[in-house]
Amino acid sequence: SQTIHQWPATLVQPVGSPLSLECTVEGTSNPNLYWYRQAAGRGLQLLFYSVGIGQISSEVPQNLSASRPQDRQFILSSKKLLLSDSGFYLCAWSASGGYNEQFFGPGTRLTVL
Amino acid sequence: AQKVTQAQTEISVVEKEDVTLDCVYETRDTTYYLFWYKQPPSGELVFLIRRNSFDEQNEISGRYSWNFQKSTSSFNFTITASQVVDSAVYFCALTSGNNFNKFYFGSGTKLNVKP
Repeated sequence: SQTIHQWPATLVQPVGSPLSLECTVEGTSNPNLYWYRQAAGRGLQLLFYSVGIGQISSEVPQNLSASRPQDRQFILSSKKLLLSDSGFYLCAWSASGGYNEQFFGPGTRLTVL
Repeated sequence: AQKVTQAQTEISVVEKEDVTLDCVYETRDTTYYLFWYKQPPSGELVFLIRRNSFDEQNEISGRYSWNFQKSTSSFNFTITASQVVDSAVYFCALTSGNNFNKFYFGSGTKLNVKP
């Protein structure tokens, strides 16, 4: 069966510090991978998605970036965090192709102070 | 443009009551898929159902049922005999057209089931 891991679970970082969140998927190959952010108001905002190694699509211009160095690894980064980057970050995967359901990881709760 | 509206921000019911969560969607594409997810207090979104635009049959899974009506662009979710464990935020989502990797999520409905 497939599993998705995210770490860390919680993170408190000062403004201006760098960020690296990691997501890995097990039990499947060539998945589509996604990063979402959920602010306190509960809505989900798609940040990035990837259909293959090195292929990243950005949905929202901001100070975040994503990379996919391996087939089942997806990394969310920032060089300098802003207060507005605080939120709940969720990674998800889906089977390749279209219209497939997405399966979400446990999330990382980021607080920028 | 694609859009999902969940007008009910928060609903409170007493255990064993039935409850319906509304979802209204907008898309100009003829091919689209609709989804429901549950987000318990732990935070992880749990996939519940996927429905495509060519299949208007209603679906039942245990205490859960879904009513898909293209005529009203709605995909409503009913929980029968609600339980405390059903307390969560529920999201409806849509993907359509050529950009089928992008999900459009509603703002969610928080369901409180009281004992």
